[in-house]
Amino acid sequence: EPEVTQTPSHQVTQMGQEVILRCVPISNHLYFYWYRQILGQKVEFLVSFYNNEISEKSEIFDDQFSVERPDGSNFTLKIRSTKLEDSAMYFCASSDDGNTEAFFGQGTRLTVV
Amino acid sequence: DQQVKQNSPSLSVQEGRISILNCDYTNSMFDYFLWYKKYPAEGPTFLISISSIKDKNEDGRFTVFLNKSAKHLSLHIVPSQPGDSAVYFCAASINNFNKFYFGSGTKLNVKP
Repeated sequence: EPEVTQTPSHQVTQMGQEVILRCVPISNHLYFYWYRQILGQKVEFLVSFYNNEISEKSEIFDDQFSVERPDGSNFTLKIRSTKLEDSAMYFCASSDDGNTEAFFGQGTRLTVV
Repeated sequence: DQQVKQNSPSLSVQEGRISILNCDYTNSMFDYFLWYKKYPAEGPTFLISISSIKDKNEDGRFTVFLNKSAKHLSLHIVPSQPGDSAVYFCAASINNFNKFYFGSGTKLNVKP
Protein backbone atom coordinates (compact mmCIF):
# COMPACT_ATOMS: atom_id res chain seq x y z
CA GLU A 1 0.00 0.00 0.00
CA PRO A 2 1.41 3.43 -0.90
CA GLU A 3 2.52 5.50 2.04
CA VAL A 4 4.01 8.85 2.95
CA THR A 5 7.56 8.51 4.22
CA GLN A 6 9.47 11.01 6.32
CA THR A 7 13.15 11.31 7.17
CA PRO A 8 14.76 11.49 9.61
CA SER A 9 12.55 9.94 12.28
CA HIS A 10 14.31 12.00 14.94
CA GLN A 11 16.39 15.15 14.57
CA VAL A 12 18.22 16.91 17.36
CA THR A 13 19.53 20.37 16.61
CA GLN A 14 20.97 23.31 18.46
CA MET A 15 18.96 26.46 18.81
CA GLY A 16 19.63 28.84 15.94
CA GLN A 17 20.57 26.09 13.49
CA GLU A 18 18.76 25.37 10.26
CA VAL A 19 16.93 22.08 9.82
CA ILE A 20 15.37 20.45 6.80
CA LEU A 21 12.69 17.83 7.27
CA ARG A 22 12.08 15.60 4.31
CA CYS A 23 9.00 13.87 3.02
CA VAL A 24 8.16 11.67 0.09
CA PRO A 25 4.40 11.97 -0.53
CA ILE A 26 2.34 9.30 -2.24
CA SER A 27 3.34 9.42 -5.87
CA ASN A 28 0.08 10.40 -7.59
CA HIS A 29 -0.96 12.92 -4.95
CA LEU A 30 -1.12 16.61 -5.77
CA TYR A 31 -1.74 18.29 -2.41
CA PHE A 32 0.92 18.34 0.27
CA TYR A 33 0.79 19.45 3.86
CA TRP A 34 2.88 19.94 6.95
CA TYR A 35 1.38 19.65 10.40
CA ARG A 36 3.01 19.60 13.79
CA GLN A 37 2.12 18.36 17.24
CA ILE A 38 3.83 19.81 20.27
CA LEU A 39 3.93 17.25 23.08
CA GLY A 40 0.57 17.05 24.78
CA GLN A 41 -1.09 19.47 22.38
CA LYS A 42 -3.25 19.31 19.27
CA VAL A 43 -2.12 18.47 15.78
CA GLU A 44 -1.77 21.90 14.16
CA PHE A 45 -1.84 22.86 10.52
CA LEU A 46 1.26 24.61 9.24
CA VAL A 47 1.03 24.85 5.46
CA SER A 48 -0.51 23.36 2.34
CA PHE A 49 1.13 23.22 -1.06
CA TYR A 50 -0.36 22.69 -4.48
CA ASN A 51 0.84 23.26 -8.00
CA ASN A 52 4.29 24.28 -6.78
CA GLU A 53 3.10 27.02 -4.50
CA ILE A 54 1.77 27.53 -1.02
CA SER A 55 -2.03 27.49 -1.07
CA GLU A 56 -2.57 28.25 2.59
CA LYS A 57 -0.47 28.75 5.70
CA SER A 58 -1.15 29.27 9.37
CA GLU A 59 0.11 32.02 11.64
CA ILE A 60 2.68 29.55 12.95
CA PHE A 61 4.28 29.40 9.50
CA ASP A 62 6.27 32.62 9.72
CA ASP A 63 9.34 33.78 7.80
CA GLN A 64 11.49 31.19 9.54
CA PHE A 65 9.63 28.41 7.73
CA SER A 66 9.72 27.52 4.07
CA VAL A 67 8.61 24.58 1.94
CA GLU A 68 9.92 23.28 -1.30
CA ARG A 69 9.30 20.53 -3.80
CA PRO A 70 12.80 20.32 -5.25
CA ASP A 71 12.04 17.43 -7.57
CA GLY A 72 9.13 15.23 -8.56
CA SER A 73 9.12 13.20 -5.37
CA ASN A 74 10.37 15.12 -2.34
CA PHE A 75 8.60 17.74 -0.27
CA THR A 76 10.68 19.54 2.36
CA LEU A 77 10.09 21.80 5.32
CA LYS A 78 12.95 24.11 6.27
CA ILE A 79 13.24 25.97 9.54
CA ARG A 80 15.90 28.61 9.13
CA SER A 81 16.82 29.39 12.72
CA THR A 82 15.30 26.92 15.14
CA LYS A 83 13.90 27.97 18.50
CA LEU A 84 13.27 25.84 21.55
CA GLU A 85 9.52 26.11 20.96
CA ASP A 86 9.91 24.50 17.53
CA SER A 87 10.43 21.17 19.30
CA ALA A 88 7.55 18.99 18.15
CA MET A 89 6.51 16.07 15.98
CA TYR A 90 6.27 17.24 12.39
CA PHE A 91 3.92 15.34 10.13
CA CYS A 92 3.87 15.47 6.37
CA ALA A 93 0.66 14.53 4.59
CA SER A 94 -0.61 14.27 1.05
CA SER A 95 -3.91 13.86 -0.73
CA ASP A 96 -4.91 13.45 -4.34
CA ASP A 97 -7.25 15.89 -6.02
CA GLY A 98 -8.40 17.63 -2.87
CA ASN A 99 -11.60 15.68 -2.53
CA THR A 100 -10.28 12.92 -0.34
CA GLU A 101 -8.66 12.44 3.00
CA ALA A 102 -5.00 13.20 3.64
CA PHE A 103 -2.53 10.43 4.34
CA PHE A 104 0.06 11.14 6.99
CA GLY A 105 3.65 10.07 7.35
CA GLN A 106 4.99 8.61 10.56
CA GLY A 107 6.43 11.96 11.62
CA THR A 108 9.81 13.50 12.43
CA ARG A 109 10.49 14.28 16.05
CA LEU A 110 12.41 17.55 16.16
CA THR A 111 14.20 18.36 19.39
CA VAL A 112 15.80 21.78 19.68
CA VAL A 113 18.36 22.07 22.48
CA ASP B 1 -8.10 27.67 18.13
CA GLN B 2 -10.93 25.65 19.66
CA GLN B 3 -13.04 25.05 16.60
CA VAL B 4 -12.97 21.27 17.04
CA LYS B 5 -13.25 19.85 20.52
CA GLN B 6 -12.97 16.42 21.98
CA ASN B 7 -13.97 16.80 25.58
CA SER B 8 -13.10 13.31 26.74
CA PRO B 9 -9.34 12.82 26.95
CA SER B 10 -9.73 9.10 27.58
CA LEU B 11 -12.21 6.26 27.34
CA SER B 12 -11.98 2.71 28.60
CA VAL B 13 -14.17 -0.04 27.14
CA GLN B 14 -14.40 -3.80 27.52
CA GLU B 15 -13.57 -5.93 24.49
CA GLY B 16 -16.67 -6.74 22.48
CA ARG B 17 -18.61 -3.73 23.71
CA ILE B 18 -19.34 -0.50 21.84
CA SER B 19 -16.92 2.42 21.94
CA ILE B 20 -18.43 5.84 21.37
CA LEU B 21 -16.08 8.74 20.79
CA ASN B 22 -17.49 12.23 20.61
CA CYS B 23 -16.49 15.43 18.89
CA ASP B 24 -18.04 18.90 18.84
CA TYR B 25 -17.32 21.77 16.51
CA THR B 26 -18.19 25.43 16.47
CA ASN B 27 -17.70 26.48 12.87
CA SER B 28 -20.87 25.92 10.82
CA MET B 29 -18.81 26.26 7.63
CA PHE B 30 -17.18 22.88 8.16
CA ASP B 31 -18.48 20.53 5.51
CA TYR B 32 -16.23 17.50 5.76
CA PHE B 33 -15.32 15.54 8.86
CA LEU B 34 -12.78 12.82 9.40
CA TRP B 35 -11.63 10.46 12.10
CA TYR B 36 -7.99 9.50 12.42
CA LYS B 37 -6.43 6.89 14.63
CA LYS B 38 -2.94 7.35 16.02
CA TYR B 39 -0.62 4.85 17.66
CA PRO B 40 2.41 6.07 19.64
CA ALA B 41 5.37 7.04 17.45
CA GLU B 42 3.27 6.85 14.29
CA GLY B 43 1.44 9.36 12.16
CA PRO B 44 -2.36 9.67 12.17
CA THR B 45 -4.05 6.99 10.08
CA PHE B 46 -7.27 7.81 8.28
CA LEU B 47 -10.22 5.83 9.55
CA ILE B 48 -13.51 7.15 8.18
CA SER B 49 -15.02 10.37 6.91
CA ILE B 50 -18.40 11.97 6.41
CA SER B 51 -19.63 14.81 4.28
CA SER B 52 -22.03 17.35 5.73
CA ILE B 53 -24.72 16.23 3.28
CA LYS B 54 -24.92 12.92 5.14
CA ASP B 55 -25.75 12.04 8.70
CA LYS B 56 -24.21 8.59 8.81
CA ASN B 57 -21.39 6.71 7.19
CA GLU B 58 -20.50 3.12 7.94
CA ASP B 59 -17.39 1.09 7.20
CA GLY B 60 -17.25 -2.33 8.80
CA ARG B 61 -17.05 -1.96 12.57
CA PHE B 62 -16.80 1.83 12.33
CA THR B 63 -19.75 4.20 11.97
CA VAL B 64 -19.63 7.96 12.07
CA PHE B 65 -22.74 9.96 12.90
CA LEU B 66 -23.13 13.64 12.17
CA ASN B 67 -25.68 15.90 13.84
CA LYS B 68 -25.34 19.24 12.09
CA SER B 69 -27.90 21.06 14.21
CA ALA B 70 -25.98 20.13 17.33
CA LYS B 71 -22.60 20.53 15.62
CA HIS B 72 -21.68 17.13 16.93
CA LEU B 73 -20.21 14.00 15.48
CA SER B 74 -19.47 10.66 16.98
CA LEU B 75 -17.54 7.55 16.08
CA HIS B 76 -18.97 4.18 17.04
CA ILE B 77 -16.79 1.10 17.09
CA VAL B 78 -18.68 -2.18 17.39
CA PRO B 79 -17.45 -4.59 18.57
CA SER B 80 -14.38 -3.01 20.15
CA GLN B 81 -11.14 -4.97 19.97
CA PRO B 82 -7.90 -4.57 21.94
CA GLY B 83 -6.15 -3.55 18.71
CA ASP B 84 -8.43 -0.51 18.59
CA SER B 85 -6.58 0.94 21.57
CA ALA B 86 -5.11 4.20 20.27
CA VAL B 87 -5.68 7.94 20.28
CA TYR B 88 -8.58 8.99 18.07
CA PHE B 89 -8.67 12.44 16.53
CA CYS B 90 -11.60 14.04 14.82
CA ALA B 91 -10.83 16.62 12.18
CA ALA B 92 -12.86 19.01 10.07
CA SER B 93 -12.31 21.02 6.95
CA ILE B 94 -14.03 23.63 4.84
CA ASN B 95 -14.64 23.29 1.15
CA ASN B 96 -11.23 22.60 -0.26
CA PHE B 97 -9.51 20.22 2.17
CA ASN B 98 -6.40 22.33 2.25
CA LYS B 99 -6.53 22.70 6.00
CA PHE B 100 -7.73 20.26 8.62
CA TYR B 101 -8.69 21.41 12.09
CA PHE B 102 -7.96 18.69 14.61
CA GLY B 103 -9.47 17.98 17.97
CA SER B 104 -7.24 17.25 20.93
CA GLY B 105 -7.80 13.50 20.74
CA THR B 106 -9.38 10.80 22.89
CA LYS B 107 -7.27 7.92 24.11
CA LEU B 108 -9.26 4.71 23.79
CA ASN B 109 -8.28 1.69 25.86
CA VAL B 110 -10.04 -1.55 24.98
CA LYS B 111 -9.57 -4.06 27.78
CA PRO B 112 -9.40 -7.78 26.92
